[in-house]
Amino acid sequence: SQTIHQWPATLVQPVGSPLSLECTVEGTSNPNLYWYRQAAGRGLQLLFYSVGIGQISSEVPQNLSASRPQDRQFILSSKKLLLSDSGFYLCAWSQLAGYEQYFGPGTRLTVT
Amino acid sequence: AQRVTQPEKLLSVFKGAPVELKCNYSYSGSPELFWYVQYSRQRLQLLLRHISRESIKGFTADLNKGETSFHLKKPFAQEEDSAMYYCALTTGSYIPTFGRGTSLIVHP
Repeated sequence: SQTIHQWPATLVQPVGSPLSLECTVEGTSNPNLYWYRQAAGRGLQLLFYSVGIGQISSEVPQNLSASRPQDRQFILSSKKLLLSDSGFYLCAWSQLAGYEQYFGPGTRLTVT
Repeated sequence: AQRVTQPEKLLSVFKGAPVELKCNYSYSGSPELFWYVQYSRQRLQLLLRHISRESIKGFTADLNKGETSFHLKKPFAQEEDSAMYYCALTTGSYIPTFGRGTSLIVHP
């Protein structure tokens, strides 16, 4: 069966420090991969999605970037964190466009 | 562009009462619609999808194309139904659209 992992589960970083959040999927090949930020009362904000290795689409221009170095690995990064980057980050995958998504456990990021 | 609207941020009911979480969408084509649920300290997970026309945990949702709605209903709410519920729409593109979510609280 398919599983999706995210780490770390929680992270506290100072302003200006770099960020790297990792997401990996097991049990499937060539998944569509997504990064979201979830905020109370604001729902899920799609940040990036990827349909293949090295293919990244950005939905919201901001201080973050994403990379997909391997088929089932998706990384969310920042060179210099801002206070406004604090939030709950979710990784998700789907098999095909328009199909249901499967979510990871999330990473709680606090920028101090 | 497509949009999903969940008008209620919070819905509070008593155990045994009927519950309806509203979802309205805007999309000119034929959408695929989903309800996702996030229980406390658990992952966001799929609850049901409109193409399956199934009932999960007593919940049902009917796609009403005339009213562009996909409301989630349950005749008798249970305390374990307390959670955050998201309505989502997908099209033929890779970009899903989620509503802002409704927090359901079921009181004993």
